[in-house]
Amino acid sequence: DSGVTQTPKHLITATGQRVTLRCSPRSGDLSVYWYQQSLDQGLQFLIQYYNGEERAKGNILERFSAQQFPDLHSELNLSSLELGDSALYFCASSSHTGELFFGEGSRLTVL
Amino acid sequence: DQQVKQNSPSLSVQEGRISILNCDYTNSMFDYFLWYKKYPAEGPTFLISISSIKDKNEDGRFTVFLNKSAKHLSLHIVPSQPGDSAVYFCAASAGRAGTASKLTFGTGTRLQVTL
Repeated sequence: DSGVTQTPKHLITATGQRVTLRCSPRSGDLSVYWYQQSLDQGLQFLIQYYNGEERAKGNILERFSAQQFPDLHSELNLSSLELGDSALYFCASSSHTGELFFGEGSRLTVL
Repeated sequence: DQQVKQNSPSLSVQEGRISILNCDYTNSMFDYFLWYKKYPAEGPTFLISISSIKDKNEDGRFTVFLNKSAKHLSLHIVPSQPGDSAVYFCAASAGRAGTASKLTFGTGTRLQVTL
């Protein structure tokens, strides 16, 4: 158990819909990262938040957005969903050493 | 553009033998490298890392070798055990510590250790 909690574990929805994925980091970790793993792809970095502020952005689509709340939990919002958005979405938090601790992931299926 | 490449999607090794997983990178700015292990239905977990100032780091049965001139690193597992069967991701970052760090991952190699 990494200490990072992600919900929901599985989600099935239709094209055009909007979903929200939630992440609670490890106790004490201020940074939260979101990654996407599509079929046959490595983990693609989407976005990082540190203590409520956006810190770094990767290949995140404009249809996607994220935020980190004062209690440090984070949400990833995916809108106007397309079939290609079907993937595993991982959240990770990091300590001051920079080591990443991953949650179990949220598997999104868009039909 | 895949900056971190794991060209072998899968590898099968007999229990007790050595497993060698390879990783190549293209970005010269990468100075910190990590290996993550992922079991089904779980998130990746950190396994071992190496800084670019070293060429080898060992932790028990796991050793990572770094060849900076070739932009290549490898993970050796000796001896391999059935519990090592998992997907292994190579990752690299430009700058290890700090809140701005983010990792670039390879596509993973699925290791199967057979009896």
